Amino acid sequence: QQQVKQSPQSLIVQKGGISIINCAYENTAFDYFPWYQQFPGKGPALLIAIRPDVSEKKEGRFTISFNKSAKQFSLHIMDSQPGDSATYFCAAYNQAGTALIFGKGTTLSVSS
Amino acid sequence: EADIYQTPRYLVIGTGKKITLECSQTMGHDKMYWYQQDPGMELHLIHYSYGVNSTEKGDLSSESTVSRIRTEHFPLTLESARPSHTSQYLCASSDSLGDTQYFGPGTRLTVL
Repeated sequence: QQQVKQSPQSLIVQKGGISIINCAYENTAFDYFPWYQQFPGKGPALLIAIRPDVSEKKEGRFTISFNKSAKQFSLHIMDSQPGDSATYFCAAYNQAGTALIFGKGTTLSVSS
Repeated sequence: EADIYQTPRYLVIGTGKKITLECSQTMGHDKMYWYQQDPGMELHLIHYSYGVNSTEKGDLSSESTVSRIRTEHFPLTLESARPSHTSQYLCASSDSLGDTQYFGPGTRLTVL
């Protein structure tokens, strides 16, 4: 049972464009939604995270949009750069759970 | 920068060998995790620990075993490696809240 569904599986964006990755969750008990960025040969690293009491959080070129009623959240990467090429994982968490529940990942390629 | 270390980074061994993958963290985190990940693919939780002498199996069945004798150390052992164990193994830790996980760089295991 996939509790966090992530799409698309892969994404190609031109340099300077906007990258958008979407996630949907089922468990309304989730109260923390992080995004992780993983480069080849490295472990995932926390990129940005949001709690359901806000609808948007922005850090530099990265923005999370959160829609509590639709149980969806998305990552927007503005002015995408080749250095942003990586695999992105959304995740969800609640303290009663075991660990973060990860989506299946999106491989982003930013072409120059 | 999270201080979580994994050794070895790369390991190539023959079938039937016993191996131990090391994971250590210097952040004093109570919770530690092991994930299995094929390159660029989703993360599968195989073991977790909430503290010393506490270990549990994760969502993905694994023939590996773990131990947690010290807070900072969470090794993973395969008694008899097989080609199906070829994968990347990622260790992570989090504080007692558990929402933010910090990942090590991973061990890329190849069993011939």
